[in-house]
Parts: sequence; C-alpha cells; structure tokens
Amino acid sequence: ETVLTQSPGTLSLSPGEGAILSCRASQSVTSAYFAWYQQKPGQAPRLLIYAASSRATGIPDRFSGSGSGSDFTLTISRLEPEDFAVYYCQQYGTSPYTFGQGTKLEIK
Amino acid sequence: QVQLQESGPGLLKPSETLSLTCTVSGGSISNYYWSWIRQPPGKGLEWISYIYYNGYTNYNPSLKSRVTISVDRAKNQFSMKLTSVTAADTAVYYCAREVIVGTNSHGFDIWGQGTMVTVSS
Repeated sequence: ETVLTQSPGTLSLSPGEGAILSCRASQSVTSAYFAWYQQKPGQAPRLLIYAASSRATGIPDRFSGSGSGSDFTLTISRLEPEDFAVYYCQQYGTSPYTFGQGTKLEIK
Repeated sequence: QVQLQESGPGLLKPSETLSLTCTVSGGSISNYYWSWIRQPPGKGLEWISYIYYNGYTNYNPSLKSRVTISVDRAKNQFSMKLTSVTAADTAVYYCAREVIVGTNSHGFDIWGQGTMVTVSS
C-alpha cells in the first residue's frame, strides 16, 4: 500500500498570503494518478487538482499543483477566506487507492 | 448536472450487515468508475472499493473479506454491502465518480453528500 504523508498537519496563515502544502509518498506515484481535494466541515471533499497539476472544472487559478515521483505540492497563491479548510492528497494509480491524513489550513 | 445520493440505515448493531445504495441522477452510470469512500468522525478518508459500469470491481484489501459492491444499470444505481460491522465501521460513507479519459483518470470529480452510519449496541 502506498502511504501518503502530508505536511504540515496544520498551517496557520492570513488571507492574502500564499500557502504551500506538501504530500510525500512511500513509493513512487504516477503523476497522472495524483489528486488534491478540499473539504470543509460537514461537506464532501471537492476535487481541486488531478493528474498532479491539472485544475478541475471551476477551480480558480490561484490553486496549482506540481510534483512527481514521491513528492507533490499544492500551492494556493492568494488565500481567500473560503480557502480555509482541510486538504487531502490522493493517489489512484496503485490499488488500494490511498489518501493522505490531511492538512488543516486555518486562519491566523 | 450529475448528482449522487447515498441512502441506507443510519444505525446498525454490531455484527449486522450495512447496505448502502448510491443513486446517480442527471447522467448515466455507464462509462465511469464508481467508488465508495468512508470517513470516521474527525478522521481522514479511506477508499473502500470501486466498480466499473460493466461490473468490474476492485477492493481495498483491508476490507475485501467483508465488502461486496454491485451495480444496477437499469436503476442507475450502485450499492455496497459490508458484513459483520463493528464500532470501527462508524463513519460517513460517500459515493463518488471517477472519470477516465482514454487511459488517464481525472480523479473523483463528483461526490455524494455522504451518509452517516453509526454502529452501536
């Protein structure tokens, strides 16, 4: 099983600042099968990024994904109040599909 | 616009079987992969299983011995059964669609709102 470890566990920032979230895999992951999701309290996860760097439909361009192999990054360039949430990475190239434990992005 | 809706019992007793159904509306179940994912209270996401519209399945080994997933194309639904539930199976259960374009996956683009399942005596 591919274990995904996200860092930091919690990130405290202010609106307008930039955020960098990391996800490290226990073994190499095919970039074509790597995604990022945002989850707000009481809601289902929302797909932000698929194939490591492709934005899903309707996702603002302040969200960008990068990385390959075992190291992936989600960057949010100018935090808006609605961006404060929990973010999960996911690999879906090797069964079982796995998620990271999440990074909570909170308002400082 | 495609929407997913989970349905099932909110409360079960230990050792019972959990049965959940996901109804797909606004679009066809054909040509997509359909997954079940769960999230225990305050915890992260765990992928359970997927089924392709033609019936091809894949399971998480951690649950494989207790899970069965099926599809009903006529009803535009897919379902999951989890046997011998315990308190550890208490979670919000989500269904989700995975989009495959050619040989590439575009991730889980549509999710149901989730249904809370509690296992308690």
